[in-house]
Amino acid sequence: DQQVKQNSPSLSVQEGRISILNCDYTNSMFDYFLWYKKYPAEGPTFLISISSIKDKNEDGRFTVFLNKSAKHLSLHIVPSQPGDSAVYFCAASSKGTYKYIFGTGTRLKVLA
Amino acid sequence: DGGITQSPKYLFRKEGQNVTLSCEQNLNHDAMYWYRQDPGQGLRLIYYSQIVNDFQKGDIAEGYSVSREKKESFPLTVTSAQKNPTAFYLCASSRWGGASYEQYFGPGTRLTVT
Repeated sequence: DQQVKQNSPSLSVQEGRISILNCDYTNSMFDYFLWYKKYPAEGPTFLISISSIKDKNEDGRFTVFLNKSAKHLSLHIVPSQPGDSAVYFCAASSKGTYKYIFGTGTRLKVLA
Repeated sequence: DGGITQSPKYLFRKEGQNVTLSCEQNLNHDAMYWYRQDPGQGLRLIYYSQIVNDFQKGDIAEGYSVSREKKESFPLTVTSAQKNPTAFYLCASSRWGGASYEQYFGPGTRLTVT
């Protein structure tokens, strides 16, 4: 049972344009969501998070949007840069628990 | 510099041998985790620990064992009972406090069993 889904395994975007990565979840108890970026043979690095009490969180070029009714979140990267090329994972957790459920990742390729 | 270290980065073992992967953190985090990543798949939770001397099975604990004798350390043993041990193993840690916090990951250990 995949509680966190990233249905697009890959995405290609031109440099300077917007990258939109999507994530859907099924468990309504999730109240904290995170995005991680991962390069090959390295550990994931934390990018941005959002609590369920918000619907948007921004950090520089990265913005995460949360639509609780649709159980959907998205990560926007504007403008996209070649260095953004990596695999992006979304993850979700419930307050007071220690388990984080990860999606399968989306490979972003930013074309110069 | 605070962070998580995993050693070694690459590890090779013969089938039938147990192997222990090291994970150390100096972030003063209470919770620690072990994940494995296989090609084309997300991160799957093996074990996690909320506090010293306590740990819980994750989604794919069979064939693995852990210990948490010190706050800073959470070694993972891949036993000979693990049917497909070749994978990329990631250790992570996070704060504790009621709300959720982001996890910080180590650089990973790629284990190859032949």
